[in-house]
Amino acid sequence: ILNVEQSPQSLHVQEGDSTNFTCSFPSSNFYALHWYRWETAKSPEALFVMTLNGDEKKKGRISATLNTKEGYSYLYIKGSQPEDSATYLCALSTSGTYKYIFGTGTRLKVLA
Amino acid sequence: DSGVTQTPKHLITATGQRVTLRCSPRSGDLSVYWYQQSLDQGLQFLIQYYNGEERAKGNILERFSAQQFPDLHSELNLSSLELGDSALYFCASSAHLGADEQYFGPGTRLTVT
Repeated sequence: ILNVEQSPQSLHVQEGDSTNFTCSFPSSNFYALHWYRWETAKSPEALFVMTLNGDEKKKGRISATLNTKEGYSYLYIKGSQPEDSATYLCALSTSGTYKYIFGTGTRLKVLA
Repeated sequence: DSGVTQTPKHLITATGQRVTLRCSPRSGDLSVYWYQQSLDQGLQFLIQYYNGEERAKGNILERFSAQQFPDLHSELNLSSLELGDSALYFCASSAHLGADEQYFGPGTRLTVT
């Protein structure tokens, strides 16, 4: 059974702090890695889709890196703001079956 | 607003009943995905359709079925409902197959009593 793990489960940071989270996944049968931002009472919002080993993507203050050989991705938030408070989910898409397996998320709370 | 619409927003029904959830993808998107979020579980992938054909199947129960119609809207049919089927059901769409960004609808909250 393929498992996608995220750490930490939850995180409290002060406004202005930079932070990062980890998504670990089995490196075999890798096809793509998705990152989502999910605010309470809303729907998941796509942040990045990454496919190539060594990929780095950036959107404003948020960036992500991917290592498919060792099976991990990091999400970085620079200068956290209260509006960054959300659950950050990663999901693995596998080659062949094209199923999506979600991690349980990292819940971020940014304190003003 | 992602451009993905789902109806109804809320649904309350009894055990043993059958319901149909509807999803309209973003204009131009060919892929539709269905997900389930239960209270005690994270987001679970159910099924994906691409341009009317089933593309990938996840943890979808045999009591559940889905289809994508020629106009690309999709329906998820849940039958012989059990209390444990109470969940938030999301639909998402993407432009094509493969590693495209998925855009999620607002979800349908199903409560089985």
